[in-house]
Amino acid sequence: GAGVSQSPSNKVTEKGKDVELRCDPISGHTALYWYRQRLGQGLEFLIYFQGNSAPDKSGLPSDRFSAERTGESVSTLTIQRTQQEDSAVYLCASSLRLYNEQFFGPGTRLTVL
Amino acid sequence: DAKTTQPPSMDCAEGRAANLPCNHSTISGNEYVYWYRQIHSQGPQYIIHGLKNNETNEMASLIITEDRKSSTLILPHATLRDTAVYYCIVRVTGYGGSQGNLIFGKGTKLSVKP
Repeated sequence: GAGVSQSPSNKVTEKGKDVELRCDPISGHTALYWYRQRLGQGLEFLIYFQGNSAPDKSGLPSDRFSAERTGESVSTLTIQRTQQEDSAVYLCASSLRLYNEQFFGPGTRLTVL
Repeated sequence: DAKTTQPPSMDCAEGRAANLPCNHSTISGNEYVYWYRQIHSQGPQYIIHGLKNNETNEMASLIITEDRKSSTLILPHATLRDTAVYYCIVRVTGYGGSQGNLIFGKGTKLSVKP
């Protein structure tokens, strides 16, 4: 069946520009998560959504980062005024319910020049 | 911080069993042990999880010690495609007031060699 998809797969942008990254979770999964992975580093949690509950934003590194989710479907992660340190692979995951096993997408590789 | 300790790297011969250890001495009674792996340039992949009984699925087996302070992930017949970073994660599975996100440590880089 269809897994988690993310777009674009690669994004190159200039410092100071805004970017939007998209995640399509597995159909029927109520929980959606965003993580970031810098080159050679581990995964860092950013934010998660669970149903209609308020999202847990505790991992967002600054107010330049925000995310939205439409119901239990698509999510968009927005980074405003990108900085070079934002360069990383941004990974999205979904799970049937919060605390169930998470299924990850292939990620979006963001490069800020 | 991650609540687990894993060796940074391990080698395994193709076709042999790969046994990946994980220490989680501070695990709580309601925390499960999860294993994920990340093949180069891909997103992490769920492997298996367990609470206190040993578990087996089509990918691997999970052996948890009786005191639950450590566990071992077993890939019975490792192939070159099993070369990846393996993450051992402990987390609550249930609405116990903990966060829903996974906390990844540095994992074990498993290299399967021909």
